[in-house]
Amino acid sequence: DIQMTQSPSTLSASLGDRVTITCRASQSVSTWLAWYQQKPGKAPKLLIYQASSLESGVPSYFSGSGSGTEFTLTISSLQPDDFATYYCQQYITYPWTFGQGTKVEIK
Amino acid sequence: VQLVQSGAEVKKPGESLKISCKGSGYSFSNHWIGWVRQMPGKGLEWMGIVYPDDSETKYNPTFQGQVTMSADTSTNTAYLQWSSLKTSDTAMYYCARQPVDDSGYWLGLDNWGQGTLVTVSS
Repeated sequence: DIQMTQSPSTLSASLGDRVTITCRASQSVSTWLAWYQQKPGKAPKLLIYQASSLESGVPSYFSGSGSGTEFTLTISSLQPDDFATYYCQQYITYPWTFGQGTKVEIK
Repeated sequence: VQLVQSGAEVKKPGESLKISCKGSGYSFSNHWIGWVRQMPGKGLEWMGIVYPDDSETKYNPTFQGQVTMSADTSTNTAYLQWSSLKTSDTAMYYCARQPVDDSGYWLGLDNWGQGTLVTVSS
């Protein structure tokens, strides 16, 4: 299985901060990578697919980049609604796999 | 687009269970449905996907033989079932739509159900 490793596991940030989350794959996934946001008690929400394509309705201050084995999710200016856990997922090789998650907390 | 899952379940070890995910607002038959497990306090695990039109499935080996995914296009409903539950099956289970673009490339899981909490305890 392709292992997806996110860093950091927890991130403390303030409103307005620029936040970057990294996702590394154990082998190349090209750009077959998605990012999700999950709030406590809620279903995940798709933010980014194909590594850098913004899902419809997602604020433009979210962005994704990368290819191969290293990817980043960037929140350019952290908003109150963005405190949540973020997951990356590869979907190039079965079984598709998620990273362990990055929790973004209030500093 | 909406996916509505069946309600929470409390079962005993060894019992069987079938949970559902009803789609609306889109062509259910022509979109894959994925299932994702989230154990208490843990991350997301991809279980597999099912294509309602022909019931083709792709399972995560971790779950192969442990669960069965199916779909009924007459009721626009996907199912996840267990024949003999274990306490380790206690988790939240999500269904989500897994679209494919016009070129046949996968996109992300773009619409999610609200989740079904399954509790297995003696």
